Amino acid sequence: SQQGEEDPQALSIQEGENATMNCSYKTSINNLQWYRQNSGRGLVHLILIRSNEREKHSGRLRVTLDTSKKSSSLLITASRAADTASYFCATDNGGGADGLTFGKGTHLIIQP
Amino acid sequence: EAGVTQSPTHLIKTRGQQATLRCSPISGHTSVYWYQQALGLGLQFLLWYDEGEERNRGNFPPRFSGRQFPNYSSELNVNALELEDSALYLCASRKTSGRTGELFFGEGSRLTVL
Repeated sequence: SQQGEEDPQALSIQEGENATMNCSYKTSINNLQWYRQNSGRGLVHLILIRSNEREKHSGRLRVTLDTSKKSSSLLITASRAADTASYFCATDNGGGADGLTFGKGTHLIIQP
Repeated sequence: EAGVTQSPTHLIKTRGQQATLRCSPISGHTSVYWYQQALGLGLQFLLWYDEGEERNRGNFPPRFSGRQFPNYSSELNVNALELEDSALYLCASRKTSGRTGELFFGEGSRLTVL
């Protein structure tokens, strides 16, 4: 079953603009992760935020987590054409049983 | 350090045939997860192997099966293929300790069923 639900499903912006993607989930988590997938390829881990953290930065990425609202956001600043990809949030309940539970993703297109 | 490797990259089969997909985890990783990603959909959890044992399976019929070998590599078998089995099959590995944290993915095996 899907745990995370990303919003929007698709996003098209101009190069240099900021892109914001949101994720909502349903059950308690140990951590939440964001992954990137270039067309038809494997997923690449971007960032992990633990349930006791509220914000985390990594380069041009900023992730927030609100456990009271069961939501997270991923902000990509100063977007580049190479950022065009699908972005997935994934929740980790810490039990290992199904690895991570992924949403359906946000397809981000950066117009040059 | 080599990443997760999957083979074959592409596989074309016809309905009713069997498909076998292979995965080698990162050295030192003992947990292997299999996911199915159908076109336009998210990742659906298929199977989890850890220390050579099947630990959990997702909501898929029994014709999806697999195993993990002593060297922690893994194999996914899909019997009696159906058209809707066409998808990208992704393998991921993780260190067992804590059973939490980042998953490392391979590039996937794209299965097409005609």
